[in-house]
Amino acid sequence: AQSVAQPEDQVNVAEGNPLTVKCTYSVSGNPYLFWYVQYPNRGLQFLLKYITGDNLVKGSYGFEAEFNKSQTSFHLKKPSALVSDSALYFCAVRVMTTDSWGKLQFGAGTQVVVTP
Amino acid sequence: DTAVSQTPKYLVTQMGNDKSIKCEQNLGHDTMYWYKQDSKKFLKIMFSYNNKELIINETVPNRFSPKSPDKAHLNLHINSLELGDSAVYFCASSRPGGSNTGELFFGEGSRLTVL
Repeated sequence: AQSVAQPEDQVNVAEGNPLTVKCTYSVSGNPYLFWYVQYPNRGLQFLLKYITGDNLVKGSYGFEAEFNKSQTSFHLKKPSALVSDSALYFCAVRVMTTDSWGKLQFGAGTQVVVTP
Repeated sequence: DTAVSQTPKYLVTQMGNDKSIKCEQNLGHDTMYWYKQDSKKFLKIMFSYNNKELIINETVPNRFSPKSPDKAHLNLHINSLELGDSAVYFCASSRPGGSNTGELFFGEGSRLTVL
């Protein structure tokens, strides 16, 4: 079964420090991987995606993610965290349905808490 | 301008009632979705429509019935509500093939509480 796993329920980081949110995947074929962010009482917002090409993907709000095929990982990173980055982060993978429509399967989410 | 709007934002109702949630998108997208987020924040796709045609129908009780009168609207009707239906329901939309590119645009969510 194709899936993503986010091993940490919560990540705590001080403002100004680097932030990493972990994601590993299990897919057959080439993975299409995504990161979304959910602020409190809001819908999800797309951050970035990896489909093909450069392993380092840059996205919104200064976030980037590194695709690592050998480690089957797609960790989200930000060099210097802000208090406003405190939110719930979801990793997702595209799963193809039997009639060739894709759907996104989300990980369980990682709560990021950035303290001043 | 709100891109994907859902109404109502909050819904509190009794077990056994029937309720609807409406969704509209003004992005010109062809594909729309309903996702359910449970109390542990786990997200699961329920349905997807492409240009008014149902294309994804996950294992969802048949008390849940989506309807897409046109490609800009996707409504969710729930019959005989149960306690376990309490959740936040998110509508989303994407360009054609958007599930392939992964760029979904989500509404703010509709929080359903069944008492």
